[in-house]
Amino acid sequence: DIQMTQSPSSLSASVGDRVTITCRASQGISNYLAWYQQMPGKVPKLLIYSASTLQSGVPSRFSGSGSGTDFTLTISSLQPEDVATYYCQKYNSAPHTFGPGTKVDIK
Amino acid sequence: EVQLAESGGGLVQPGGSLRLSCSVSGFTLREYTMHWVRQAPGKGLEYVASTNSDGRTTNYADSVRGRFTISRDNDKDTVYLEMSSVRIEDTAVYYCVKAWDTRKVPTGYWGQGTVVTVSS
Repeated sequence: DIQMTQSPSSLSASVGDRVTITCRASQGISNYLAWYQQMPGKVPKLLIYSASTLQSGVPSRFSGSGSGTDFTLTISSLQPEDVATYYCQKYNSAPHTFGPGTKVDIK
Repeated sequence: EVQLAESGGGLVQPGGSLRLSCSVSGFTLREYTMHWVRQAPGKGLEYVASTNSDGRTTNYADSVRGRFTISRDNDKDTVYLEMSSVRIEDTAVYYCVKAWDTRKVPTGYWGQGTVVTVSS
């Protein structure tokens, strides 16, 4: 099975900072990659699918890129409401594995 | 409005069984692949199982294969997860997810989850 890794596992940044999270697949998955945001105590929210397509209603400061094995999620200007854990998920074929998550908080 | 409502969670002893249900509304269930995803306390998201639109194709995480069974009744607008031989490590919030239709574009719809606690 394809394994998903994320880095860093956590980060602390200031409001307004540019934040980048990396997700790597152990084998190529084309662009079948989604990003989710989970705020504490809440249900995960889909941010991006097809590696770079922004889900409707998601702020434009979020963006995604990549294809094959290496992907990134970027928050162009970190806001207090972005404090959350971010997960990538592959969905090219089952099992639709999630990455271990990246916890983002405000410095 | 799309709604997914999980039920059936609770306390179960190790080795026991439990059936989770996901009742959906606001969309045509038979057009969508559906998933179960779980989250153990303080841990990350874990894919559990999936069923394609007609239920003929199912897939499982290695951690549950042979113990859990996903199924669906499109006429009753319900997806199920039959859990057997449960273990302590199956303790988690279990989410039902409206995955995608034939275009394979994730929909982003998740239920609120149902809590399963495995303990003696």
